Amino acid sequence: SYELTQPPSVSVSPGQTASITCSGDQLGDKFACWYQQKPGQSPFLVIYQDTKRPSGIPERFSGSNSGNTATLTISGTQAMDEADYYCQAWDGSHVVFGGGTKLTVL
Amino acid sequence: EVQLLESGGGLVQPGGSLRLSCAASGFALSSYAMTWVRQAPGRGLEWVSTISGSGGSTYFSDSVKGRFTISRDTSKNTLYLQMNSLRAEDTAVYYCASTVAAAGTYYFDSWGQGTLVTVSS
Repeated sequence: SYELTQPPSVSVSPGQTASITCSGDQLGDKFACWYQQKPGQSPFLVIYQDTKRPSGIPERFSGSNSGNTATLTISGTQAMDEADYYCQAWDGSHVVFGGGTKLTVL
Repeated sequence: EVQLLESGGGLVQPGGSLRLSCAASGFALSSYAMTWVRQAPGRGLEWVSTISGSGGSTYFSDSVKGRFTISRDTSKNTLYLQMNSLRAEDTAVYYCASTVAAAGTYYFDSWGQGTLVTVSS
């Protein structure tokens, strides 16, 4: 079965750039998306179709996808961005989520 | 405004059954694919099942295939998840999510608040 791998944790200082990776076999041939989830809240779509931002998502969130890796980049990271982030793709018959990355802003 | 409200969670014994509901408002279920995603306590997101916008296609994770059924009632604008032969490992918060099917992929643009299912004796 298809798998997506994320680092368990990423740390970033306020105002710096955070990059969260998501790896999967030939992931660049699929579309990747990203969700943010804060403690006690439901997940929230922040990037879809590799690079697109839903309405209301700040411009500091961006995405890319090439080869075997999709990347979520948060520029000028703010304290409010501290959350768990999940990548997700469709392998043709199954939805697949990455294991999630806890982003700590410190 | 899109709203999704899950209900039907609770405590059930191993081997038992439960039916979850997801009442949608702000859009018509008949025009949208819909998905159930679950999250075990302290764990990550796990896809459970998706039904296509036409309702004619359904997809299930290997972990629930043969035990769970996804359906919808467009007259009530409500999505369902019938869960049979429940196991302890099915314990999780279950979310319903409106699902965009585009460009050969699926993604989830709105989520409910979730309903907790606990399988325990």
